[in-house]
Amino acid sequence: GPKVLQIPSHQIIDMGQMVTLNCDPVSNHLYFYWYKQILGQQMEFLVNFYNGKVMEKSKLFKDQFSVERPDGSYFTLKIQPTALEDSAVYFCASSPGTGAYEQYFGPGTRLTVL
Amino acid sequence: GQQVQQSPSSLVLQEGENAELQCNFSSTATQLQWFYQSPGGSLVSLLSNPSGTKHTGRLTSTTVTKERRSSLHISSSQTTDSGTYLCAISTNAYKVIFGKGTHLHVLP
Repeated sequence: GPKVLQIPSHQIIDMGQMVTLNCDPVSNHLYFYWYKQILGQQMEFLVNFYNGKVMEKSKLFKDQFSVERPDGSYFTLKIQPTALEDSAVYFCASSPGTGAYEQYFGPGTRLTVL
Repeated sequence: GQQVQQSPSSLVLQEGENAELQCNFSSTATQLQWFYQSPGGSLVSLLSNPSGTKHTGRLTSTTVTKERRSSLHISSSQTTDSGTYLCAISTNAYKVIFGKGTHLHVLP
């Protein structure tokens, strides 16, 4: 079936540095999402992005977070500066539409902030 | 409160036994998905089932939309089925809400 790819699979950085997580969504999908899962905890919604804009975000989507998809390439999540509590697995998802359409998830990027 | 509640929180079976996982949700769902998360953390979509009954392989999902509940039946469980099963709903256009999952452990 359709696949969402995420690069890198693991990233280790020092607190205070900037990090960019990359997502290659399904090619004809229009809606893009990021989710965060702290080890052993529940998957939580971060943000939804459509037509160049953030449509909805949760309170976990701090001011240090930003998303973009320049020129239809990767959908990215940037964290600047990073904090220790940003350590988690970040999952990207995409969907062709809204409402009843299912979301397709990538394998996740494990981010460790030291 | 918790919008998606899954039960049981954990389940231990002998290989070959069947498993019945439950998902109850507090909001109207436009979409409902079941996922498998491996012990290593990767996520696999199992079924998309906003209403009715769907089968794939040894999996059967039944969703009763009016009653805001869904079940996932795993027949003839195998040790490789061990992991976490997540139920997730969409209540609007923009996000999916996950339950805490059922941790399944199948013993040889």
